[in-house]
Amino acid sequence: AQRVTQPEKLLSVFKGAPVELKCNYSYSGSPELFWYVQYSRQRLQLLLRHISRESIKGFTADLNKGETSFHLKKPFAQEEDSAMYYCALSGRGGYQKVTFGTGTKLQVIP
Amino acid sequence: GAVVSQHPSWVICKSGTSVKIECRSLDFQATTMFWYRQFPKQSLMLMATSNEGSKATYEQGVEKDKFLINHASLTLSTLTVTSAHPEDSSFYICSALLPGSLQHFGDGTRLSIL
Repeated sequence: AQRVTQPEKLLSVFKGAPVELKCNYSYSGSPELFWYVQYSRQRLQLLLRHISRESIKGFTADLNKGETSFHLKKPFAQEEDSAMYYCALSGRGGYQKVTFGTGTKLQVIP
Repeated sequence: GAVVSQHPSWVICKSGTSVKIECRSLDFQATTMFWYRQFPKQSLMLMATSNEGSKATYEQGVEKDKFLINHASLTLSTLTVTSAHPEDSSFYICSALLPGSLQHFGDGTRLSIL
């Protein structure tokens, strides 16, 4: 069974402080890991995926297979980063269903 | 590109009625679409996978006779909540799978059953 765990429901940080949103997963095989973001009153949108190894809006995430983690990080939080963040997992290749974590609300305090 | 439109965005109806929600891929063809349900302050729960031209695949615990899914064309999937009751009130989100790529999500439909 595939499972995604986001231990924090809410993370509050001050503007300019580093951010780390935790994500752990369980999957038998080689998964694809994603981070999705949902800003207030907007649709869910892809933030980044592990195979791209890119930085979007200053966010990065590294897949750690040993720890089965895919934590999302940003060195300096900005107010516009306040949103719901969902870690998600799917099998490799197309047509695979995506399993979402419970989400973490990031609140950046000015 | 890769826009997914969901309609309606909000619907209120009486208990016992049926409600249809549409999910359209506007600028690409999607053989596969997904339907999710999101309760307040909770994550998205996959309800079913909708495959064009064939029967939908439902997740465990989802009543297929309650939530009818039709994927009659490569750009449209519909979810019909039959004989809706207050406990069906939720936020329903669809996504369409861009071939060879990722899922793209609609804006969601807020369903309120009185």
